[in-house]
Amino acid sequence: ELKVEQNPLFLSMQEGKNYTIYCNYSTTSDRLYWYRQDPGKSLESLFVLLSNGAVKQEGRLMASLDTKARLSTLHITAAVHDLSATYFCAVDGKGGSRLTFGEGTQLTVNP
Amino acid sequence: DTAVSQTPKYLVTQMGNDKSIKCEQNLGHDTMYWYKQDSKKFLKIMFSYNNKELIINETVPNRFSPKSPDKAHLNLHINSLELGDSAVYFCASSQAGLELSNEQFFGPGTRLTVL
Repeated sequence: ELKVEQNPLFLSMQEGKNYTIYCNYSTTSDRLYWYRQDPGKSLESLFVLLSNGAVKQEGRLMASLDTKARLSTLHITAAVHDLSATYFCAVDGKGGSRLTFGEGTQLTVNP
Repeated sequence: DTAVSQTPKYLVTQMGNDKSIKCEQNLGHDTMYWYKQDSKKFLKIMFSYNNKELIINETVPNRFSPKSPDKAHLNLHINSLELGDSAVYFCASSQAGLELSNEQFFGPGTRLTVL
């Protein structure tokens, strides 16, 4: 059974600082997704990583995938308050269709 | 234009009642999903349909019954509601395939409260 673990689960950081969220998964997969969820809202797709070594950047967020290590990272550069949200990684099991989500990382950026 | 829509957005009901949630997507996708998000924000897949055919049926009580009248619609009917069914239910869709991304697009969610 595919397991997906994120850490940290809670992250409080100051504006302007950098930090990384980690997503580890237990079985072979080369497709990984990052989503953002604001309180009381839906999930918004941030990044789609489809191969080993894939790197995607959007604004202050950068995501990467290392399929050999079964690890994805979401790096936050010079955090701003607007980035406060819960971030989920999700992994595609073999055969597609099924996404297994991590527990989510609740990020709070303080002024 | 809303890509994945759900109705209702909020649902408050008594234990023992039967209720339905509807989902529609206008993205032309062939696969739709129901997820349950509990109070700790953990997301778990419940069901998935591909072209009206059930392809994922997780271990959920058989009080939950999905129905897909066509590939753009996926409804969820819940019988004999229990307190533990209180959660946010998300519908999602994707265009799945071995070579294609399985990026899923989520609806706004339905917050179900069982009293």
